[in-house]
Amino acid sequence: LAKTTQPISMDSYEGQEVNITCSHNNIATNDYITWYQQFPSQGPRFIIQGYKTKVTNEVASLFIPADRKSSTLSLPRVSLSDTAVYYCLVGISGYSTLTFGKGTMLLVSP
Amino acid sequence: SQTIHQWPATLVQPVGSPLSLECTVEGTSNPNLYWYRQAAGRGLQLLFYSVGIGQISSEVPQNLSASRPQDRQFILSSKKLLLSDSGFYLCAWALDDRDTGELFFGEGSRLTVL
Repeated sequence: LAKTTQPISMDSYEGQEVNITCSHNNIATNDYITWYQQFPSQGPRFIIQGYKTKVTNEVASLFIPADRKSSTLSLPRVSLSDTAVYYCLVGISGYSTLTFGKGTMLLVSP
Repeated sequence: SQTIHQWPATLVQPVGSPLSLECTVEGTSNPNLYWYRQAAGRGLQLLFYSVGIGQISSEVPQNLSASRPQDRQFILSSKKLLLSDSGFYLCAWALDDRDTGELFFGEGSRLTVL
């Protein structure tokens, strides 16, 4: 199983861009990289997923270098409502147990 | 569209009492199903996962058990609860044939053992 390492916490201000990096040195060839957002007392919510290079959707971008041993979630112009825990998950639903790391607590201040 | 339901949403149980949390998925077939637990201020711990009816894999030895009596039903049980079983329990599903690791979570069940 690919183990992930993320910063425990990050602080930012409204309107800034936030980049959260996840390390996954032993990622397998077939593994995808998925990021989730979790608010207190709610289930995690899918944000973005990628395999390599760059992926962008309406809420975030995901940057994955060629060696795929890390990935960076980029949140443009964060707001107070982006305060949450962000998890990086590496694996394949059909074959791995999809174990989460400890996540990164992002606090956005006015 | 697919939906996932968990119940009960909140549960307060005495030590030594039994537990049954239920999860059902609608709008999909043969999903992979997962039970996670989140203790206060902690990350998500995978407890059980299932790739089909009657097929359960356990990740952590404990006094909890899981069953999958139907394709879209996943049940978490205990015969005797411990204080350490308190936490936020989350059921999730994933499409097996997509091979991408995208999980869809229920709203969770908060268990307090007193």
